[in-house]
Amino acid sequence: SQQGEEDPQALSIQEGENATMNCSYKTSINNLQWYRQNSGRGLVHLILIRSNEREKHSGRLRVTLDTSKKSSSLLITASRAADTASYFCATSQETSGSRLTFGEGTQLTVNP
Amino acid sequence: EAQVTQNPRYLITVTGKKLTVTCSQNMNHEYMSWYRQDPGLGLRQIYYSMNVEVTDKGDVPEGYKVSRKEKRNFPLILESPSPNQTSLYFCASSLSRTGNIHEQYFGPGTRLTVT
Repeated sequence: SQQGEEDPQALSIQEGENATMNCSYKTSINNLQWYRQNSGRGLVHLILIRSNEREKHSGRLRVTLDTSKKSSSLLITASRAADTASYFCATSQETSGSRLTFGEGTQLTVNP
Repeated sequence: EAQVTQNPRYLITVTGKKLTVTCSQNMNHEYMSWYRQDPGLGLRQIYYSMNVEVTDKGDVPEGYKVSRKEKRNFPLILESPSPNQTSLYFCASSLSRTGNIHEQYFGPGTRLTVT
C-alpha cells in the first residue's frame, strides 16, 4: 500500500477560500515533501519539512507535520484559479534508503 | 536554466519494438530516477541511480533497463515494450546522492502508448 495517502482525493473551492489537504503515512520518516502537478506536466517541489520540524511556511503555503499521528497537512491560503492542480505528498522513510514514496494525490480545483 | 529534459515527449509504438527515452539534467545532480504515473496508482519508481555506473531497482523495474554512463544522462530503455507499459513517464534528479534529502526536480514527462 502507499506510504503516503492524501485526503481528500478531490477538493473544489472558490477563489479566495483556503484549501487544506492531508497526508497520512505508516512508517517513521526522515522528511516529508509536497509537490504540485499541473495536468499532464512534471511535478514541482513546493516545500520540504523534516521530521524534527512541526511547521513551515512558504508564501501562501503552510505545512504542518505531526509525527505522533504520522500525518501532515498542506494549507493554501487565499487560493487562486492558478492553484488548480494535483498535490502530492512524498515521504522519505528511515528504512527506505534513498527513495521517496509518493501518494496518489489530491486534485484541487479552484473556481473563479 | 536549471532543468531536466526528456525526449521524446510523446511516443506511440508497437509491441516489441525497442525504444529509448532519454533524460538529461544540467544541475550536476548525483541522483536520478525514473517514475511512471498511472491513474489510480500514483507515481511509482522504476529505477534510480545514486552515481555514475550505480543503478538500483525501484518498485516496478520489470520490463525496463537503465544506464548511467555519464552523470548528466539517465536513459530508460524498453527492450520489448508491451501495452501494459503505456503510461506517463517522468525523469527526476536530486542534488544529494540519496535522492531523499533535497527536493527532486522533474522533467516534463513522456507520454508513451504501446499498441
